[in-house]
Amino acid sequence: AQSVAQPEDQVNVAEGNPLTVKCTYSVSGNPYLFWYVQYPNRGLQFLLKYITGDNLVKGSYGFEAEFNKSQTSFHLKKPSALVSDSALYFCAVRDDGVRNNDMRFGAGTRLTVKP
Amino acid sequence: EPEVTQTPSHQVTQMGQEVILRCVPISNHLYFYWYRQILGQKVEFLVSFYNNEISEKSEIFDDQFSVERPDGSNFTLKIRSTKLEDSAMYFCASRPHSGTETQYFGPGTRLLVL
Repeated sequence: AQSVAQPEDQVNVAEGNPLTVKCTYSVSGNPYLFWYVQYPNRGLQFLLKYITGDNLVKGSYGFEAEFNKSQTSFHLKKPSALVSDSALYFCAVRDDGVRNNDMRFGAGTRLTVKP
Repeated sequence: EPEVTQTPSHQVTQMGQEVILRCVPISNHLYFYWYRQILGQKVEFLVSFYNNEISEKSEIFDDQFSVERPDGSNFTLKIRSTKLEDSAMYFCASRPHSGTETQYFGPGTRLLVL
């Protein structure tokens, strides 16, 4: 079965600095990878995904993520963080090698951007 | 832009009572999901539903849980006899068809079992 790990519970960055939120995955087939963001008392909002093609994917709010097959990683990045980026970020994976298999989430990483 | 909606936003119930959580997926979507998130913890997959039947369910989704699509618009999650540990935020999600992998989430229902 597929799994996804977010090794950091918490990431703190200063406003204007680049940010990285890490994600690694394990699948038997090919991965479909996703990032979602959750603001306080809200549902999950889709940020971006990798299905196939270019390893660098760009998403909402200036976020991007790079698919690295050799390192089985899909880290979320943003060149210049905003205070409003502070939220809980979830990486998710779906394994195309397993029939009727759906998405699994990581434990989440809380991003805090300080002014 | 169409959205997934969920009702109620909050529900408080007594242990042992039945609850039904309701979701209206985006209208042309074909795949439907329920997830739960215990306060401050990870989002956990419960069940997926396609073509009027369950396509996958997790170990959390035991006999106390059931899902139904009673009409063309609603998708419900029923918990027959709630336990304290069922207290969580429950999210519904949907996606359009097999060629599109992105799931779109509703705002959630916060369930508190006393």
